Amino acid sequence: GDSVTQMEGPVTLSEEAFLTINCTYTATGYPSLFWYVQYPGEGLQLLLKATKADDKGSNKGFEATYRKETTSFHLEKGSVQVSDSAVYFCALTPNYGGSQGNLIFGKGTKLSVKP
Amino acid sequence: GAGVSQSPSNKVTEKGKDVELRCDPISGHTALYWYRQSLGQGLEFLIYFQGNSAPDKSGLPSDRFSAERTGGSVSTLTIQRTQQEDSAVYLCASSSDRGQGAGMNTEAFFGQGTRLTVV
Repeated sequence: GDSVTQMEGPVTLSEEAFLTINCTYTATGYPSLFWYVQYPGEGLQLLLKATKADDKGSNKGFEATYRKETTSFHLEKGSVQVSDSAVYFCALTPNYGGSQGNLIFGKGTKLSVKP
Repeated sequence: GAGVSQSPSNKVTEKGKDVELRCDPISGHTALYWYRQSLGQGLEFLIYFQGNSAPDKSGLPSDRFSAERTGGSVSTLTIQRTQQEDSAVYLCASSSDRGQGAGMNTEAFFGQGTRLTVV
């Protein structure tokens, strides 16, 4: 079945460091890809998305590019801030059959940014 | 309402008891999802509603789990004869449509969850 694999955490960085969180997926066809973020004490929020190959999603300085050839959707940010400390989830929705729209999540990566 | 609301926020129950978890989706959202977030297991899909019907129940882990939705709005997830392995955070999400292919808006909005502890 469809699945998402993301790098294990936790990840600890200093402020202004470069961030990469790896995410790869297994899916039939052309899924839509997402990054969700869960800040401490808050619910999951959509961070960015990409719905077709080579699309780049971006928001709040974060970026991820849909790479079908490597089945990847790595999350990057050039300069992290303390306020970026959160748990990040990579996810996909299949685009076929009855599973369309169901989010399939990776296990999450906890990011801690130190001042 | 302004967002997805779930209640209670925390629930501690004794093994063997039944529990009901409630979700109030964003007004007007036709699609509603239940997920479970367990330590070390990530987020697991449980069930999906479109309106009041549940065309996809494939994620419910056992027949002790059931859910209903009334009036195309509020949903209740019921766990009967709770077990310790049911301990988790149960998340509800709603969206304005269910994705039907690339380009459709499939953004789901999540509630803050109900933390269930079975002792």
